[in-house]
Amino acid sequence: AQTVTQSQPEMSVQEAETVTLSCTYDTSESDYYLFWYKQPPSRQMILVIRQEAYKQQNATENRFSVNFQKAAKSFSLKISDSQLGDAAMYFCAYRTVLGSGGSNYKLTFGKGTLLTVNP
Amino acid sequence: DTEVTQTPKHLVMGMTNKKSLKCEQHMGHRAMYWYKQKAKKPPELMFVYSYEKLSINESVPSRFSPECPNSSLLNLHLHALQPEDSALYLCASSQDPFTSDEQYFGPGTRLTVT
Repeated sequence: AQTVTQSQPEMSVQEAETVTLSCTYDTSESDYYLFWYKQPPSRQMILVIRQEAYKQQNATENRFSVNFQKAAKSFSLKISDSQLGDAAMYFCAYRTVLGSGGSNYKLTFGKGTLLTVNP
Repeated sequence: DTEVTQTPKHLVMGMTNKKSLKCEQHMGHRAMYWYKQKAKKPPELMFVYSYEKLSINESVPSRFSPECPNSSLLNLHLHALQPEDSALYLCASSQDPFTSDEQYFGPGTRLTVT
């Protein structure tokens, strides 16, 4: 079974600075999907960025980018020019590609990293 | 419209009550999900519906009963719950259950069982 580990329960960053959130995972599969989801306090969870394992190029969405190291099974999220609105719980998640019996529907989440942005 | 709506936002119920949670999406998504989330924890998958058929039941107690009346609507019927069932219940949907499509989450129903 796949596991996702986020080793930083909490992180803080100054407004306008850059912060990197760590995520490692364990899998025997060669193809899969990785996601970062953001859940602000009392607000909806939204997708921040996704990475397909067969793509070597790191995904980027505006101020958010990932450092995907497939051999090391690492998938970190970098937030540049941090804004107050970036404060949230961030979840790293894994999804299989070739699951059977419906398992390909399932997201395996890490425990989350609570990000605080200081003005 | 990229929105998943959930009603009610808050629900307080006694252990003998029967209540229902409702989830709705109008994005044409064919997969819908129920998750349970405790404070400062990741969501835990409960049920998955694919093309209106129950695809996954993650060994959820029978006091939780899902229903998918049509492709846009998902219900979760609650009966004889326990205080430990108090949590945020999230609904999500995705376009196609067989791809990496993003799951769109609703705002959740915060359930308190007294």
